[in-house]
Amino acid sequence: QKEVEQNSGPLSVPEGAIASLNCTYSDRVSQSFFWYRQYSGKSPELIMSIYSNGDKEDGRFTAQLNKASQYVSLLIRDSQPSDSATYLCAVKELASNTGKLIFGQGTTLQVKP
Amino acid sequence: GAGVSQTPSNKVTEKGKYVELRCDPISGHTALYWYRQSLGQGPEFLIYFQGTGAADDSGLPNDRFFAVRPEGSVSTLKIQRTERGDSAVYLCASSPIPRNAGANVLTFGAGSRLTVL
Repeated sequence: QKEVEQNSGPLSVPEGAIASLNCTYSDRVSQSFFWYRQYSGKSPELIMSIYSNGDKEDGRFTAQLNKASQYVSLLIRDSQPSDSATYLCAVKELASNTGKLIFGQGTTLQVKP
Repeated sequence: GAGVSQTPSNKVTEKGKYVELRCDPISGHTALYWYRQSLGQGPEFLIYFQGTGAADDSGLPNDRFFAVRPEGSVSTLKIQRTERGDSAVYLCASSPIPRNAGANVLTFGAGSRLTVL
């Protein structure tokens, strides 16, 4: 079983809709969770981090974490064509004192005008 | 520097050749990571440096891969006897000193695309 799992997509939503991206992880003691956005041919860039159960909002982005279900999600409100990219979920395990992140394979989001 | 710099941006080589990929992290970042990303996949951890030492090299696939960071800043990833399966984008990232209990924000470079013919 992969440590961090994402649906590869593509997930297609119309402009202005809410895009919901999901991620599950296998290590119960995982501690810190990150969402990176990667445009085609570019490097990943951090858009959200979350450490506690519940929701965390930043502009049009909301990260949701449920440690009991080992599930983290990213909601993008009022999706724009410029949001079209691959979204990578990354997890830092409690046992890791190196700061190493484990990435999922990414979900490709397509926002259609 | 202002960001993580990686060179070369593209490298095409022949099977069996030796390759070096360079990473210059953000000034003051003591932690440096190498990842490898194949098409359609997420970044795969290779090695982590804290200062000059490799604190975690558990992701290196085999002994053809080696990395150094002699002065605690610039790092070089070295691949011997390259194989076609080594073709990927090699990403370098850096961060401030990681804290066990908290966040660790990695900033990535643009990557070095390696193609082994």
